Amino acid sequence: SAVISQKPSRDICQRGTSLTIQCQVDSQVTMMFWYRQQPGQSLTLIATANQGSEATYESGFVIDKFPISRPNLTFSTLTVSNMSPEDSSIYLCSVDGPFRGTEAFFGQGTRLTVV
Amino acid sequence: TQLLEQSPQFLSIQEGENLTVYCNSSSVFSSLQWYRQEPGEGPVLLVTVVTGGEVKKLKRLTFQFGDARKDSSLHITAAQPGDTGLYLCAGKSGGSNYKLTFGKGTLLTVNP
Repeated sequence: SAVISQKPSRDICQRGTSLTIQCQVDSQVTMMFWYRQQPGQSLTLIATANQGSEATYESGFVIDKFPISRPNLTFSTLTVSNMSPEDSSIYLCSVDGPFRGTEAFFGQGTRLTVV
Repeated sequence: TQLLEQSPQFLSIQEGENLTVYCNSSSVFSSLQWYRQEPGEGPVLLVTVVTGGEVKKLKRLTFQFGDARKDSSLHITAAQPGDTGLYLCAGKSGGSNYKLTFGKGTLLTVNP
């Protein structure tokens, strides 16, 4: 299994500002995934981050709004830019288990409230 | 776009009751996973089912994968307050597609 540390665990931010969320994994992984979970809802994939290349974004998510860094095989950041109240959500990072696609491990999430 | 329909969306029961949660799709999945998420935490994997018709048991939880690999169910026997949480099903379509498709979840509350 993989242990994922995500920071911050929660934050309250002013609209128009940006927040960077950090995700640290205790082992080297090829792909890291960033999800958004709006209140009472399921998980929506924002983007997939590969080390050494640009992140791949899902429909409805753009790099200018959610820039991602992946400087090495154990770390990634997601920035939520120019925030509005609609960005209030839980943001989760995730990695696959050793048998890709048969299990996923998640950080504890970052609960973001934009006021 | 593959969709997973999960039902019911909300379920509130008394301790000791049985319940079943359903996860349905028109698409075939190579594997399907069930997660439980508690407040303030990320989802935690309960089980992965891979073979059509497969049944897996985890203590009081029984998971079944449909014969056609398009649907799955989670049955909890004699529910306990500790079973309270958000139950999510997630499917992988297979091949080189590494992405998981998540259902909307079932929020289960077990009252003592």
